[in-house]
Amino acid sequence: SAVISQKPSRDICQRGTSLTIQCQVDSQVTMMFWYRQQPGQSLTLIATANQGSEATYESGFVIDKFPISRPNLTFSTLTVSNMSPEDSSIYLCSVEATGTGSFEQYFGPGTRLTVT
Amino acid sequence: GENVEQHPSTLSVQEGDSAVIKCTYSDSASNYFPWYKQELGKRPQLIIDIRSNVGEKKDQRIAVTLNKTAKHFSLHITETQPEDSAVYFCAASPGQGAQKLVFGQGTRLTINP
Repeated sequence: SAVISQKPSRDICQRGTSLTIQCQVDSQVTMMFWYRQQPGQSLTLIATANQGSEATYESGFVIDKFPISRPNLTFSTLTVSNMSPEDSSIYLCSVEATGTGSFEQYFGPGTRLTVT
Repeated sequence: GENVEQHPSTLSVQEGDSAVIKCTYSDSASNYFPWYKQELGKRPQLIIDIRSNVGEKKDQRIAVTLNKTAKHFSLHITETQPEDSAVYFCAASPGQGAQKLVFGQGTRLTINP
């Protein structure tokens, strides 16, 4: 499986500010996904990032709040904009395993965000 | 869109006994069903998965069964060990376009020594 890293691993931010989270993969992947995991909750997909096109956002998530970049096949960023305490969550990127017909998805270590 | 329901939310079993976690999904077009294990403070780890053209899959002490007609799938862990204690998530992939995942609510499994 791909080796996935995220930066930062954690951060404490003040409300009204923005944080950009980076996701780096050690191999080229077509699709990258961004999920949010609120404290003690399940994972919810924020958006799907495909290189060379705009990200596709899920219901309840908008580009102005969560802008995503996907400049190449190994890297993506998620920005959490104008943060409020409700944005305190773990943000995880994931990628599909390479290989024909593989549906397996692997997660990065996550970024634990606390908004005060 | 797809909706995945997972039960139970918590499960406590004696070491050596079996544990079963069940999920139902709503979208009959879903074609891929993975299970993830998440230990405290760690990332979700894929432990087993099944595709819609298969009814059962086994990997050592872990097995997953799928009933497409009833739209439910289950995780079976046999001979449980303390290191099986974690939160387990089922997921379904709606099977159209990118293989995004819709997750169940999670099951906190505790293995009692």
